[in-house]
Amino acid sequence: GQNIDQPTEMTATEGAIVQINCTYQTSGFNGLFWYQQHAGEAPTFLSYNVLDGLEEKGRFSSFLSRSKGYSYLLLKELQMKDSASYLCAVRDIRRTTGFQKLVFGTGTRLLVSP
Amino acid sequence: DSGVTQTPKHLITATGQRVTLRCSPRSGDLSVYWYQQSLDQGLQFLIQYYNGEERAKGNILERFSAQQFPDLHSELNLSSLELGDSALYFCASSPWGAGGNTGELFFGEGSRLTVL
Repeated sequence: GQNIDQPTEMTATEGAIVQINCTYQTSGFNGLFWYQQHAGEAPTFLSYNVLDGLEEKGRFSSFLSRSKGYSYLLLKELQMKDSASYLCAVRDIRRTTGFQKLVFGTGTRLLVSP
Repeated sequence: DSGVTQTPKHLITATGQRVTLRCSPRSGDLSVYWYQQSLDQGLQFLIQYYNGEERAKGNILERFSAQQFPDLHSELNLSSLELGDSALYFCASSPWGAGGNTGELFFGEGSRLTVL
């Protein structure tokens, strides 16, 4: 099975930097994703890590350590529109069939204040 | 616009009833996923289909069933509805199996089900 943990809620100030952590346990790890979801809307893809290290994409960066089962999403120069839930998701591959599924954590609700 | 279409967007029904949610994946995507998201809850994986065949099952209740048709659209059937079934139901698609890619899922806007 899979187990994904991330903080329930975080608050930060406009212009600041925030780091959202995610720890996971899975038997067939094949990549970690971060999605952003505004309330009542569909999740949208932010980043993908399959190898250890940092992936940078504009104001957002994501880090992965496979040996530690750990990832973080770093958001810089926070804007009010960044207030949303951030979902950590692990792609789990079934070795016998090669088919994969994406399992989501419960999400971290980020509130950015002025 | 992700290219994934879900209908209906909103649905209100009574306990004990049955509903069908429909999903049309992005053009060319063979995999369809169904997720349930209750209030303040994470996305719970229900079931995955690939090219018409069931490939993975999550915490899907026996009262729920799904299928993927030859034209690749999918339907999620929810029966004997209970109050606790009220949730956002998301469909997502991906081309997995059709070649290498990051494995990103493309989500529809969701169907909001309210059971009264």
